[in-house]
Amino acid sequence: EAGVTQFPSHSVIEKGQTVTLRCDPISGHDNLYWYRRVMGKEIKFLLHFVKESKQDESGMPNNRFLAERTGGTYSTLKVQPAELEDSGVYFCASSQVSSSYEQYFGPGTRLTVT
Amino acid sequence: GDSVTQMEGPVTLSEEAFLTINCTYTATGYPSLFWYVQYPGEGLQLLLKATKADDKGSNKGFEATYRKETTSFHLEKGSVQVSDSAVYFCALIEGGSYIPTFGRGTSLIVHP
Repeated sequence: EAGVTQFPSHSVIEKGQTVTLRCDPISGHDNLYWYRRVMGKEIKFLLHFVKESKQDESGMPNNRFLAERTGGTYSTLKVQPAELEDSGVYFCASSQVSSSYEQYFGPGTRLTVT
Repeated sequence: GDSVTQMEGPVTLSEEAFLTINCTYTATGYPSLFWYVQYPGEGLQLLLKATKADDKGSNKGFEATYRKETTSFHLEKGSVQVSDSAVYFCALIEGGSYIPTFGRGTSLIVHP
């Protein structure tokens, strides 16, 4: 069974540009989560989808970030316009059960904003 | 709010050395405690967990004991291997939640 996949693995963009990150969860997992790790700091929760609905988006830093999960399968996280402080590693995770800590993480997308 | 503090890395060891990675936490309730590991190029994996005081989590030769009196959950392994080189994250989840609060991660480098 394929794990959580993320694309791209790395992205380097200039300040002010737009970037879209993609996450494909494990097949059959209704729950999808986005996290971010700013260099050398903690991994922070961004938001949680249940199917196509946003269950919790309390961790989204500001309105430059837009997450979607149309059709309840893969998800995208768009940053527009990107700022220097958005640099970091963006992780996606999925789980079968909503209230479970058993989340399966993808390898992350390393975003560098110059 | 809740927080997790880990020792800063990188931790560099020779193969077969003893490993300790310190982790302490601050929580309002009675959290469950976790260690995750991220091998190069891979996603985070749950390594071990403990759900109440004095519980010991163990997996792949790694152990950690939930110490409520010292609010700690230190990760130990008696004899590390090169393949243990990875980043280790300590985390907690408060009761009623399912979102981990992570520490900053500790990079472990094991030399042959």
